[in-house]
Amino acid sequence: DQQVKQNSPSLSVQEGRISILNCDYTNSMFDYFLWYKKYPAEGPTFLISISSIKDKNEDGRFTVFLNKSAKHLSLHIVPSQPGDSAVYFCAASSNAGKSTFGDGTTLTVKP
Amino acid sequence: DAGVIQSPRHEVTEMGQEVTLRCKPISGHNSLFWYRQTMMRGLELLIYFNNNVPIDDSGMPEDRFSAKMPNASFSTLKIQPSEPRDSAVYFCASRSQGSYNSPLHFGNGTRLTVT
Repeated sequence: DQQVKQNSPSLSVQEGRISILNCDYTNSMFDYFLWYKKYPAEGPTFLISISSIKDKNEDGRFTVFLNKSAKHLSLHIVPSQPGDSAVYFCAASSNAGKSTFGDGTTLTVKP
Repeated sequence: DAGVIQSPRHEVTEMGQEVTLRCKPISGHNSLFWYRQTMMRGLELLIYFNNNVPIDDSGMPEDRFSAKMPNASFSTLKIQPSEPRDSAVYFCASRSQGSYNSPLHFGNGTRLTVT
């Protein structure tokens, strides 16, 4: 049973446009959500997070939205830049202490 | 801050051989995690430690896998004997135990190939 799902394996957008990456979860105990970015041959690096008590968190070009009733979150990148091309992982955590990751979405931003 | 350091970066071995992966967490971080990334299963948690004590090893696939953390600055993941299906990228990550909401800091991984 995969508790965190990223249903789009890949996404391609034009430079300057908006990128929207989606994530769904099933476990109601998850109360904190994080997005990580991963370049080839490197480990994932933290990008942005959101607590379940909020529905939006913004950091520069990156905004994460949380819809608890739908158990859905999304990452918006605007404007998208070629350097944003990477694999993006959604992760969810609870007070059990461990983070559960989705399978990742490969974003390609075309110049 | 040197980050999480993993060694080796690449390991190629033959089926049946013992493999040991190593990790040095960020100084001051007292939670350490081992993840495995494969095409089929994505990024899956194998085991994690708090203050050098294994807390949850439910993700360890079989008895062939074992992990230790003898002190706060070193951990190993051992596979004995290795099999071709163990081929994957293995990541180590650390975090301050203070809050489970703190993001994980990952190493650059060890790419294991078992032939």
